[in-house]
Amino acid sequence: AQSVSQHNHHVILSEAASLELGCNYSYGGTVNLFWYVQYPGQHLQLLLKYFSGDPLVKGIKGFEAEFIKSKFSFNLRKPSVQWSDTAEYFCAVIKYYKLSFGAGTTVTVRA
Amino acid sequence: NAGVTQTPKFQVLKTGQSMTLQCAQDMNHEYMSWYRQDPGMGLRLIHYSVGAGITDQGEVPNGYNVSRSTTEDFPLRLLSAAPSQTSVYFCASSRRSQDTEAFFGQGTRLTVV
Repeated sequence: AQSVSQHNHHVILSEAASLELGCNYSYGGTVNLFWYVQYPGQHLQLLLKYFSGDPLVKGIKGFEAEFIKSKFSFNLRKPSVQWSDTAEYFCAVIKYYKLSFGAGTTVTVRA
Repeated sequence: NAGVTQTPKFQVLKTGQSMTLQCAQDMNHEYMSWYRQDPGMGLRLIHYSVGAGITDQGEVPNGYNVSRSTTEDFPLRLLSAAPSQTSVYFCASSRRSQDTEAFFGQGTRLTVV
């Protein structure tokens, strides 16, 4: 079955630590990839997206992600997290107009 | 701009009741969709529409109906609510293109007792 897999369910970090969240997808062919963030009590917001070109994409708030086609992966990174990065993070893939999400990773940053 | 507006924000239903979750967008987006969000399962696509008059089923369509009579509105109907439909529901819209982001409403938290 086609799916989007996120490796971690819950990540707990201290401020200034580095963050990496894994995402793998199983769709073949051309796909467009996204990372969305959901802060507590809020709706989803776009962090970054990859459609084509440079596989290293930069998003808002210091986040970046790397698309590795051979590994079907689109991992999210941030070199130094802040308490305000506490949120749930979703990887998503769009194929034939359907946007499919991973199960999400809850990130808790301790001050 | 209002973006994507969902109503109501909260709702409690009794098993067997019906109701409609409203979704409206003012961005002239062709594509609209409904998701439900459950802990540990991410967002699952219920129904989607690529334009007025056109709807299709997503991953978890059972128990839900949709229609798209206008570009702006995409209501989701629960025909006979069940406790398994307790969830947070999000409506989203985007341009009819693969290379575009989706904009989400604030969500509706539905509890079925």
